Amino acid sequence: EVQLLGSGGGLVQPGGSLRLSCAASGFTFSSSAMSWVRQAPGKGLEWVSAISASGDSTYYADSVKGRFTISRDNSKITLYLQMNSLRAEDTAVYYCAILGPGYYFDYWGQGTLVTVSS
Amino acid sequence: EIVLTQSPATLSLSPGERATLSCRASQSVSSYLAWYQQKPGQAPRLLIYDASNRATGIPARFSGSGSGTDFTLTISSLEPEDFAVYYCQQRSTWYTFGQGTKLEIK
Repeated sequence: EVQLLGSGGGLVQPGGSLRLSCAASGFTFSSSAMSWVRQAPGKGLEWVSAISASGDSTYYADSVKGRFTISRDNSKITLYLQMNSLRAEDTAVYYCAILGPGYYFDYWGQGTLVTVSS
Repeated sequence: EIVLTQSPATLSLSPGERATLSCRASQSVSSYLAWYQQKPGQAPRLLIYDASNRATGIPARFSGSGSGTDFTLTISSLEPEDFAVYYCQQRSTWYTFGQGTKLEIK
């Protein structure tokens, strides 16, 4: 069974930093592209970032480019999202997801809440 | 950026009825469109990919159609567990989602 367990969310002040983790199991992590998608409270879904299976290629939405960094450790079967210079508008539930061979979000983790507030 | 507009915003139907949800793209996305279902407090679940292909384990009552700029998700006969929010998503140019259609019990 595919499992994606997100962690690392919490309350942070504007301008602060946070690192999210997503521990994977039940599939071949090292062969799978991965992604982060967020959802502000009561709002819709927004793609944030993606990374290739090897980690050599990374992609970002314009709204987070230059502030967020996606990475992965295939030996630890874990995906990461380093978030710097956080803003109130970054407040959201952050989901990690498998980016399948068709480039859709095949499976999603349970999400971790990030709140940016003073 | 490709904008996806879903309609209606809310759809009120009864179990057993047929549901038709629409998604319109601001420019052609070919057939690179997916549909997701999200229930309260849960992560989204992939239902349909490439406009008309059901994802693994998705019941046959869910079907998708369309290409170019106009797409439809149809649920042939609503079950109680189908009442949720549905999102369309394109992957033709990066990734964008529609704003969602809430399917509620009438």
